[in-house]
Amino acid sequence: KQEVTQIPAALSVPEGENLVLNCSFTDSAIYNLQWFRQDPGKGLTSLLLIQSSQREQTSGRLNASLDKSSGRSTLYIAASQPGDSATYLCAAYTGGGNKLTFGTGTQLKVEL
Amino acid sequence: KAGVTQTPRYLIKTRGQQVTLSCSPISGHRSVSWYQQTPGQGLQFLFEYFSETQRNKGNFPGRFSGRQFSNSRSEMNVSTLELGDSALYLCASSLALTSGGADTQYFGPGTRLTVL
Repeated sequence: KQEVTQIPAALSVPEGENLVLNCSFTDSAIYNLQWFRQDPGKGLTSLLLIQSSQREQTSGRLNASLDKSSGRSTLYIAASQPGDSATYLCAAYTGGGNKLTFGTGTQLKVEL
Repeated sequence: KAGVTQTPRYLIKTRGQQVTLSCSPISGHRSVSWYQQTPGQGLQFLFEYFSETQRNKGNFPGRFSGRQFSNSRSEMNVSTLELGDSALYLCASSLALTSGGADTQYFGPGTRLTVL
């Protein structure tokens, strides 16, 4: 059974800092890994999807990496801004179909 | 292109009642999945529908059911509501070009269900 863990659970940083969010998964036989952000009371916004054959994906100030052998993914956010404040979730696809197993999330606060 | 829409956005029900939630996927998307989000359990997979057939199912009791229509719109139903069913119910759609989960999933805003 796939289990996904995110550390830390909460993080507070000053504006402009570069930061890394961590995601660990127990079953390395994943198809893909997807990163989302969730604003309070809202749905999920997809940030990046990394295919199992890829090592990383980039979008603007975001860079996500995937290391299947160690069961880890990281989300790097460059030059953080107050608008980046949200909960960040990683989710792994395992098995057929579109079933996602979500991590516990990291609540990020970027302060002025 | 319009995003995933869910109706209603908020619902208040009492124990024992039943409820139906609706999800309209992005145009052209064939797969619709449902998730339950609670503070204690986080996001948990309920089920996935593809071409009007349930393709995957999570570990939820039979009180939770769903269906998908020929236009890919989906509904989920919860019967005999319990206090613990209070949650944010999220729907996600994807193109589902392959069966291996290679497609990005796009989520709707969710339906907030409160059971009193």
